[in-house]
Amino acid sequence: DADVTQTPRNRITKTGKRIMLECSQTKGHDRMYWYRQDPGLGLRLIYYSFDVKDINKGEISDGYSVSRQAQAKFSLSLESAIPNQTALYFCATKSGDVTGELFFGEGSRLTVL
Amino acid sequence: AQTVTQSQPEMSVQEAETVTLSCTYDTSESDYYLFWYKQPPSRQMILVIRQEAYKQQNATENRFSVNFQKAAKSFSLKISDSQLGDAAMYFCAYRSGRNSGYALNFGKGTSLLVTP
Repeated sequence: DADVTQTPRNRITKTGKRIMLECSQTKGHDRMYWYRQDPGLGLRLIYYSFDVKDINKGEISDGYSVSRQAQAKFSLSLESAIPNQTALYFCATKSGDVTGELFFGEGSRLTVL
Repeated sequence: AQTVTQSQPEMSVQEAETVTLSCTYDTSESDYYLFWYKQPPSRQMILVIRQEAYKQQNATENRFSVNFQKAAKSFSLKISDSQLGDAAMYFCAYRSGRNSGYALNFGKGTSLLVTP
């Protein structure tokens, strides 16, 4: 099983619908991240969390919200999806050690019609 | 925020040849980390190599090596003896050494094509 699991892997939805992307990890890491990938733009940070009580906005948080339900779970919500939120979304985790690498999930491709 | 620039949207290399992917970054910090990630068509993000800014020696991982020029703020990736499996998107990324979340700032990526 993957260390960082994202669900769903693919989702097609309509404008105005509420969508939740879920991420769970078995690495025991405190830090969790949500990134968005668009062609030609690379990966951009949406939100990140140090622990269940500490959530921080990233570069492009508008239109998104997150919930850290437990150390191992970090969900990303789109309250009212719009077409320009069509993208590939990645969850990642990291230990508290500054030298540690990010471990990524396999991505959730979201299409908003 | 620190910016990472990858000036080559696409690159092509023949199998068994060597290719270099460019990356520059902008920062006023002295303590930071640099990374190259590979994203094959499976879309998985795979760490290729990392470099600590305080280390003068360039990092090497098998056929992958970097040319880290701290003063020039340049961090290029060299792939030697290219293989078909190296075809992928490659992302350069920067991380501050300060405890500001340890998030990565990514460049826009370089698509590498490997031809037989």
